[in-house]
Amino acid sequence: KNEVEQSPQNLTAQEGEFITINCSYSVGISALHWLQQHPGGGIVSLFMLSSGKKKHGRLIATINIQEKHSSLHITASHPRDSAVYICAVTSYGGSQGNLIFGKGTKLSVKP
Amino acid sequence: DTGVSQNPRHKITKRGQNVTFRCDPISEHNRLYWYRQTLGQGPEFLTYFQNEAQLEKSRLLSDRFSAERPKGSFSTLEIQRTEQGDSAMYLCASSRGQANTGELFFGEGSRLTVL
Repeated sequence: KNEVEQSPQNLTAQEGEFITINCSYSVGISALHWLQQHPGGGIVSLFMLSSGKKKHGRLIATINIQEKHSSLHITASHPRDSAVYICAVTSYGGSQGNLIFGKGTKLSVKP
Repeated sequence: DTGVSQNPRHKITKRGQNVTFRCDPISEHNRLYWYRQTLGQGPEFLTYFQNEAQLEKSRLLSDRFSAERPKGSFSTLEIQRTEQGDSAMYLCASSRGQANTGELFFGEGSRLTVL
């Protein structure tokens, strides 16, 4: 079993829909990251959080430390949101960049 | 701010050849990380530098792999005697800060194809 599990693996949505991507992890963590990867490989950091909730534009990330679970929500989805969304964690006591990554959720938003 | 730059973007080589990738981090970032990502998988941590010191190495980094950051600025990742299993995207990221608080900035990656 992977230490970081994401669901769903693939997600297709219609433009405007509310989207939720889930991440569960099995290790103690000091931080959790949500990353966005576009075709071609480049990765953009969306959020880094260790508790509670963060919002940036149409994106919202939440984390429940007790349940070892995080969600990434996209409101009013748009075709330009189509990408792979990756959850990654820094294990407790580990260095910041020594991340354990999930396999990613491939999101496709249709117009 | 030119972001994290990686070169070359794509390298095709024959099995047994040596390859070297370069990463230029954001100039004031003291931390630099290398990752490897194979098709359909999430990235995997390879190694981490704080300034010029290599502080962590994954067991994925076999003795054919070596990374350097000689002046605490750019970094190189060399793979000797490449094997087909080395085919992957090699990603570099950098950050600034003392603790686990700095945001990570990723490069576009260097894709390696070993024939």
